[in-house]
Amino acid sequence: NAGVMQNPRHLVRRRGQEARLRCSPMKGHSHVYWYRQLPEEGLKFMVYLQKENIIDESGMPKERFSAEFPKEGPSILRIQQVVRGDSAAYFCASSPGGQHNQPQHFGDGTRLSIL
Amino acid sequence: AQSVAQPEDQVNVAEGNPLTVKCTYSVSGNPYLFWYVQYPNRGLQFLLKYITGDNLVKGSYGFEAEFNKSQTSFHLKKPSALVSDSALYFCAVREDSNYQLIWGAGTKLIIKP
Repeated sequence: NAGVMQNPRHLVRRRGQEARLRCSPMKGHSHVYWYRQLPEEGLKFMVYLQKENIIDESGMPKERFSAEFPKEGPSILRIQQVVRGDSAAYFCASSPGGQHNQPQHFGDGTRLSIL
Repeated sequence: AQSVAQPEDQVNVAEGNPLTVKCTYSVSGNPYLFWYVQYPNRGLQFLLKYITGDNLVKGSYGFEAEFNKSQTSFHLKKPSALVSDSALYFCAVREDSNYQLIWGAGTKLIIKP
């Protein structure tokens, strides 16, 4: 399967712990987007990355959240000192570089539950 | 400012009947428009897009959408609904000069047998 791969599919953390969500984009895609979705709601943009660069992080909280997309390996969304309000589904999408008329391709998400 | 509106939280259709899921948008420049479908516990799947050209675009699973510039709409349609079409549908728009996708809030489509 050459689609967008996210892991883990489900992640349970206690308040105060760290959560690391991983995303491997589709083969040949160099742009990654992270979104957050609450139950029965739409997607909220968090961050847009290209390899080794954060292009737009305007949707990401300034504290506790960070994202990276290293030269090698998956993109990582990191949430430090998680709180109950961080419980949500986090989706990653990827697209080929530079062509804004191309659709984004989504992974199946990571469902984060905070105890 | 860019925006997308999906005015219906939920649409109920009987199996075999035509369905329409509405979407209107607001952008300054030329719009790139997309429809996605989300099944429970899954990511979003791309259905179709309008970039330029024919106003009627055809996509996956028998869906189509009509771009109407004067009404700034991009409604999703299917001539004959299937129970398996029941899902959450999202409309998204991007300005031709901007990378960011703006998402609608989603419409839950329920097809009853």
